[in-house]
Amino acid sequence: DAGVIQSPRHEVTEMGQEVTLRCKPISGHNSLFWYRQTMMRGLELLIYFNNNVPIDDSGMPEDRFSAKMPNASFSTLKIQPSEPRDSAVYFCASSLTGSSIQPQHFGDGTRLSIL
Amino acid sequence: LAKTTQPISMDSYEGQEVNITCSHNNIATNDYITWYQQFPSQGPRFIIQGYKTKVTNEVASLFIPADRKSSTLSLPRVSLSDTAVYYCLVGGKYGNKLVFGAGTILRVKS
Repeated sequence: DAGVIQSPRHEVTEMGQEVTLRCKPISGHNSLFWYRQTMMRGLELLIYFNNNVPIDDSGMPEDRFSAKMPNASFSTLKIQPSEPRDSAVYFCASSLTGSSIQPQHFGDGTRLSIL
Repeated sequence: LAKTTQPISMDSYEGQEVNITCSHNNIATNDYITWYQQFPSQGPRFIIQGYKTKVTNEVASLFIPADRKSSTLSLPRVSLSDTAVYYCLVGGKYGNKLVFGAGTILRVKS
């Protein structure tokens, strides 16, 4: 079975540009999570969805960040305008249900560099 | 959410058994203990989960004492490919969030 698929794997862009990260969860999984990982702050949960509905976006840094899940098989994380401090690895994960005891399956991440 | 504490790093040699202990003094009755493994340039990967006593799978064993205030991940006969960051997490069946701490960097040497 295909795992969680993220694109692009790497993104380099100049500050001020819009960045869109994409995620395809595992088929049949009802929950989707977006994380950000940096050396300084570790792995942080940004937002998660249950059945395509955003449940908790308290981890989203500021209004420049937005996430959508238009259907069960696709989600996007947008940053507009991007800033150098947004440079990080962004992971998408999915799980069967939203329960924290359900294993989360992570993609390989998008390494984002904002110049 | 219960806070976890684990060593920042550990070193081992190939073929040895490695035990990583995690402290979670404020664990709630409904909380489970879950361990993830992360290799460089990859997302974390679920290893094992338990509620009490001992759980074993093809990758690792998880030992949880009766008071559940700590847990130990045991990796039998590690190899170089087990070099990774290991995260201990605590979360309830009815909770939604996983909070990742700093994890333990395990370095396996030849």
